[in-house]
Amino acid sequence: EAQVTQNPRYLITVTGKKLTVTCSQNMNHEYMSWYRQDPGLGLRQIYYSMNVEVTDKGDVPEGYKVSRKEKRNFPLILESPSPNQTSLYFCASSLTTGFGYTFGSGTRLTVV
Amino acid sequence: GENVEQHPSTLSVQEGDSAVIKCTYSDSASNYFPWYKQELGKRPQLIIDIRSNVGEKKDQRIAVTLNKTAKHFSLHITETQPEDSAVYFCAASILRPGDMRFGAGTRLTVKP
Repeated sequence: EAQVTQNPRYLITVTGKKLTVTCSQNMNHEYMSWYRQDPGLGLRQIYYSMNVEVTDKGDVPEGYKVSRKEKRNFPLILESPSPNQTSLYFCASSLTTGFGYTFGSGTRLTVV
Repeated sequence: GENVEQHPSTLSVQEGDSAVIKCTYSDSASNYFPWYKQELGKRPQLIIDIRSNVGEKKDQRIAVTLNKTAKHFSLHITETQPEDSAVYFCAASILRPGDMRFGAGTRLTVKP
């Protein structure tokens, strides 16, 4: 089944404790992206990647890192999480730009 | 960069009625316009999209119209059913990496 797999689904952590949210797609998509969803703000792009080793900042990249060492994987790293990073996170992939996204199931992160 | 505004933020209709959600975009170079449906607690899913060389596209009970001159596009749902209740997001893209921008979302409630 074609899908984007995101883990974990739920995560509660403390301020400053490094964490990684994993994202993997099995559709051989070139384009992958991370979004955060907050009430009233819609989906805001954090980072995106056009292909292996090609990543760039989205609209809200502060406090996040990404890597794209393999085409299928695009992990999101929070080196020192803060409470304002409490949010619902979605990984998404598409064949390339100009095609619809397939979203992962989401990660609800709470930073206390 | 691109800015997408979406209206209304909430919409309540009776089962069987039609629902219309409107979005405007700022960059006249935008040429790809997807719509996503997000049910409660679920991931956004692509339901229909349109490209700038097409004025209207239909898929069963849903349709999207595009007015490039006015820079707005709309989602039309006919014969609404309770299972259409969800948050709907519009988006616009110039087909450059990282440029997909989402509206803030419309919460549609269909009353039985």
